[in-house]
Amino acid sequence: GENVEQHPSTLSVQEGDSAVIKCTYSDSASNYFPWYKQELGKRPQLIIDIRSNVGEKKDQRIAVTLNKTAKHFSLHITETQPEDSAVYFCAALTNNAGGTSYGKLTFGQGTILTVHP
Amino acid sequence: DGGITQSPKYLFRKEGQNVTLSCEQNLNHDAMYWYRQDPGQGLRLIYYSQIVNDFQKGDIAEGYSVSREKKESFPLTVTSAQKNPTAFYLCASSGGGITKTYNEQFFGPGTRLTVL
Repeated sequence: GENVEQHPSTLSVQEGDSAVIKCTYSDSASNYFPWYKQELGKRPQLIIDIRSNVGEKKDQRIAVTLNKTAKHFSLHITETQPEDSAVYFCAALTNNAGGTSYGKLTFGQGTILTVHP
Repeated sequence: DGGITQSPKYLFRKEGQNVTLSCEQNLNHDAMYWYRQDPGQGLRLIYYSQIVNDFQKGDIAEGYSVSREKKESFPLTVTSAQKNPTAFYLCASSGGGITKTYNEQFFGPGTRLTVL
């Protein structure tokens, strides 16, 4: 099955700096890569996603890059703010064979991001 | 996110008891999922269902059971066979419906289960 590795496990930055979180995946059939933000005790919320036919996607201060050959993808947050502090999870989706399957998401272990004012 | 609900928010169970966690969605999504989250860990898939009356085991299905009798409901039963059930349980849904999305999974607020 799919295996997703996420690094670093913790990341501490100063407000205004950039933050980068990296993930690798094992299954070349994975075709959808979302990033979720989870605040303490809350539900994960999708912040950005990318499909396997796209190399980069940007949404304001957040961007995601995908390298299919190397099987890795990264989250980039620029001009970090204290409210960006949370746990961030990457995931990779693998579709089951045939039909209208919505596939299975495999999550990374998470990165605790702390942005210091 | 208000379209997917879980109850209760907190649940306490004695060892040897079965408990059922509720998950309801009004997004008209086809697929529903149950994840377990332990402190400092990612989300691990317990069971998922792509269509009513059908479901598949995820990566950690042992000690759990589910049913999908209605499109909007996907309850999870934590049985006494689950050796370490204390965790945060998250339900999610995806697929069509009013969100008009396909792969994006929308999460419920979670249930925190503690075994006493």
